[in-house]
Amino acid sequence: GQNIDQPTEMTATEGAIVQINCTYQTSGFNGLFWYQQHAGEAPTFLSYNVLDGLEEKGRFSSFLSRSKGYSYLLLKELQMKDSASYLCAAMDSNYQLIWGAGTKLIIKP
Amino acid sequence: GAVVSQHPSRVICKSGTSVKIECRSLDFQATTMFWYRQFPKQSLMLMATSNEGSKATYEQGVEKDKFLINHASLTLSTLTVTSAHPEDSSFYICSASPLDRNTEAFFGQGTRLTVV
Repeated sequence: GQNIDQPTEMTATEGAIVQINCTYQTSGFNGLFWYQQHAGEAPTFLSYNVLDGLEEKGRFSSFLSRSKGYSYLLLKELQMKDSASYLCAAMDSNYQLIWGAGTKLIIKP
Repeated sequence: GAVVSQHPSRVICKSGTSVKIECRSLDFQATTMFWYRQFPKQSLMLMATSNEGSKATYEQGVEKDKFLINHASLTLSTLTVTSAHPEDSSFYICSASPLDRNTEAFFGQGTRLTVV
């Protein structure tokens, strides 16, 4: 079956760095997405990885290892506004997204 | 970035009535749009894939007669919740991918439906 695993909740301190891990199993693979979702709002796109390696976008970076079925989202210089849920989603061979349950990130001053 | 507009953002309706939710891609064309629902503290669940000019493809367990989807143009898809019940109360979100960038999906703002 198809499955995405990510931690339910994480806590970090303002100004610090946090890494949110995601492992996936899909029928075929066409890329790994990370989305940010604030409570009551729709998700917003953060990153897309289809090749192995690290993609950096400002304070956010995303890493992919296809052989390990593993990705992580790295957030640097954490700000209070980064408190949100972070959704990992893998695209299968039919170009459909398989969603993780999301990781709730709590930032403390 | 590409913009997807979803309307209304919030709606309250009485049991037994129908509610229509619109999803528009404002600055790009999309042959395929996706409809999701999300219950509190749960992940997004794909309900159906809306294809322009053809019938939508529904996920297992989603009643096609209850959740009517119409994708009349390359920029508009609608979801109609018919004969709404309180258990249909949820957050409904649409997404669309530009024709030339089908690896990115852009989401509408979402619609909070409350059935009383």
